[in-house]
Amino acid sequence: DGGITQSPKYLFRKEGQNVTLSCEQNLNHDAMYWYRQDPGQGLRLIYYSQIVNDFQKGDIAEGYSVSREKKESFPLTVTSAQKNPTAFYLCASSMEGGVYNSPLHFGNGTRLTVT
Amino acid sequence: AQSVAQPEDQVNVAEGNPLTVKCTYSVSGNPYLFWYVQYPNRGLQFLLKYITGDNLVKGSYGFEAEFNKSQTSFHLKKPSALVSDSALYFCAVREDTGFQKLVFGTGTRLLVSP
Repeated sequence: DGGITQSPKYLFRKEGQNVTLSCEQNLNHDAMYWYRQDPGQGLRLIYYSQIVNDFQKGDIAEGYSVSREKKESFPLTVTSAQKNPTAFYLCASSMEGGVYNSPLHFGNGTRLTVT
Repeated sequence: AQSVAQPEDQVNVAEGNPLTVKCTYSVSGNPYLFWYVQYPNRGLQFLLKYITGDNLVKGSYGFEAEFNKSQTSFHLKKPSALVSDSALYFCAVREDTGFQKLVFGTGTRLLVSP
């Protein structure tokens, strides 16, 4: 079955440590996204990538970094510079390739807790 | 810049009754509009989208949405609610000019009582 796999489902880290969240898709989608979800705030875009080896900052990129070395993979690193990293992180992908009305497909998320 | 408003944090409805979850949007040009549903500790699932054409869009699980350009609204509806419809619903908008970010509303929690 095609889909998006995020791992791990739950992640616990101490303050000051960097942590990397994994996102892999086998949908052959061009575009990939990272969103952060906090209660009552909806989804906020962290980074997105339209194509391999290229990515852009979203609305709340400070304290985060990404890479897009392979079409299938778009890992997100939460650095120690992120002031409030505890949140639910969602990865998504979409077909794009000039088709801008294709829906996003989401993974099941990683819940990060930093203490 | 595009934006989405979901004016209700929560909607309560009895099973078997019709339901409406409201959404209004703002874009400079023409919108692509989407509805997604989220169950606890899961990702979002796509329900339906409006691109162009017929103002009434039908989607998954018996849901439909009505696009109203003059009121800039895209309300989600279902004729008869099920308890299993209880979840968090998100409206999202994207402008139809090239690659644009998808902007989400803050979500509306739907609670269907037996």
